[in-house]
Amino acid sequence: QKEVEQNSGPLSVPEGAIASLNCTYSDRGSQSFFWYRQYSGKSPELIMSIYSNGDKEDGRFTAQLNKASQYVSLLIRDSQPSDSATYLCAGWERDSSYKLIFGSGTRLLVRP
Amino acid sequence: DAMVIQNPRYQVTQFGKPVTLSCSQTLNHNVMYWYQQKSSQAPKLLFHYYDKDFNNEADTPDNFQSRRPNTSFCFLDIRSPGLGDAAMYLCATSRDRRDASSYNEQFFGPGTRLTVL
Repeated sequence: QKEVEQNSGPLSVPEGAIASLNCTYSDRGSQSFFWYRQYSGKSPELIMSIYSNGDKEDGRFTAQLNKASQYVSLLIRDSQPSDSATYLCAGWERDSSYKLIFGSGTRLLVRP
Repeated sequence: DAMVIQNPRYQVTQFGKPVTLSCSQTLNHNVMYWYQQKSSQAPKLLFHYYDKDFNNEADTPDNFQSRRPNTSFCFLDIRSPGLGDAAMYLCATSRDRRDASSYNEQFFGPGTRLTVL
């Protein structure tokens, strides 16, 4: 069973700090990963996708992928209270079904 | 704007009374998915369609059925809802199941919150 694992949190950071969210995965064949933000009672919203080793930046968000260590992370710079949400990490399962495997999510709390 | 639309946003049904949830998309994506999500849990895949090819997850109860009459629409039928079926039901789409690249992103609709009385 392919797995994506995340610390459930909550991760609490002060406003303006860097929030670091981490994810590990078991399927060495997985090649692309995604971060979704989910506010309470809402559906997941795709905020970052990453395919290559290294960093990918988009505004205040940076996704990092290390395939050798099977590790994905999301950094949120200048965290705002509006960033408080659950962040889901997901990766494609590379077998015939090609389904997205989700972690259970990390709850982020940004304190004003 | 291209998007995934779900109706209704909130559905209340009685124990055992059939219910149908709908999803439509203007992204022209090949793949449509149905997920069930309960509080503080990851989305759980129920089934997906690749074009008209239906793929059921092994642990999806027979109580859940789906139809995809055309590329744009997909329906989730719950034949006899139980109290345990109360959840958020999420529809999602992606361009091509076989393209496991960063461009094969999966997008979610707003969800339907199902309450079973």
